[in-house]
Amino acid sequence: GAVVSQHPSRVICKSGTSVKIECRSLDFQATTMFWYRQFPKKSLMLMATSNEGSKATYEQGVEKDKFLINHASLTLSTLTVTSAHPEDSSFYICSARVGDLEQYFGPGTRLTVT
Amino acid sequence: GQNIDQPTEMTATEGAIVQINCTYQTSGFNGLFWYQQHAGEAPTFLSYNVLDGLEEKGRFSSFLSRSKGYSYLLLKELQMKDSASYLCAGMDSNYQLIWGAGTKLIIKP
Repeated sequence: GAVVSQHPSRVICKSGTSVKIECRSLDFQATTMFWYRQFPKKSLMLMATSNEGSKATYEQGVEKDKFLINHASLTLSTLTVTSAHPEDSSFYICSARVGDLEQYFGPGTRLTVT
Repeated sequence: GQNIDQPTEMTATEGAIVQINCTYQTSGFNGLFWYQQHAGEAPTFLSYNVLDGLEEKGRFSSFLSRSKGYSYLLLKELQMKDSASYLCAGMDSNYQLIWGAGTKLIIKP
């Protein structure tokens, strides 16, 4: 089956620093990648949709200058949380889609900002 | 607007059967997904329904009624490892997933 990896799985950073999270589709080329955020006991919240070679489409309320998304190839998308603050602490999950339907999720990245 | 409703929490006994309901309203419809999510992990795909009826896959089955905007996930022969959150998601006309808040299923011995 399709495998999506995320790196790192956990990261702790100091307030004001930036953190980059990588999302890779390992055995397929993803036409679209999605970035989600999930707070404890809450559902997934779509942050942005990313297509290879074009600018990401951000959901309403998500700051594009704070959450930088780069989709450099059909197998790699990165999310950079710039000038992180404690309220950015969350579980970030990426997914990759082939065609129109099923999304394959990465294992998630737990970000803690101190 | 678009909306997915499902119960917040359910409790069931090991070996029993549980049905998790989901009602949906989406702009257009391209199918209904169920995902399982264990605490601290990403969701894993369970089922996909786009036509009315019941899809059976081992101990898990999923049902869809498009006219009622309704789906359920049926789990049989419950095992302790089935304790997790179950997420219902509808796919709209733009092929975007609209997520429910998830149903936390607690299995008791």
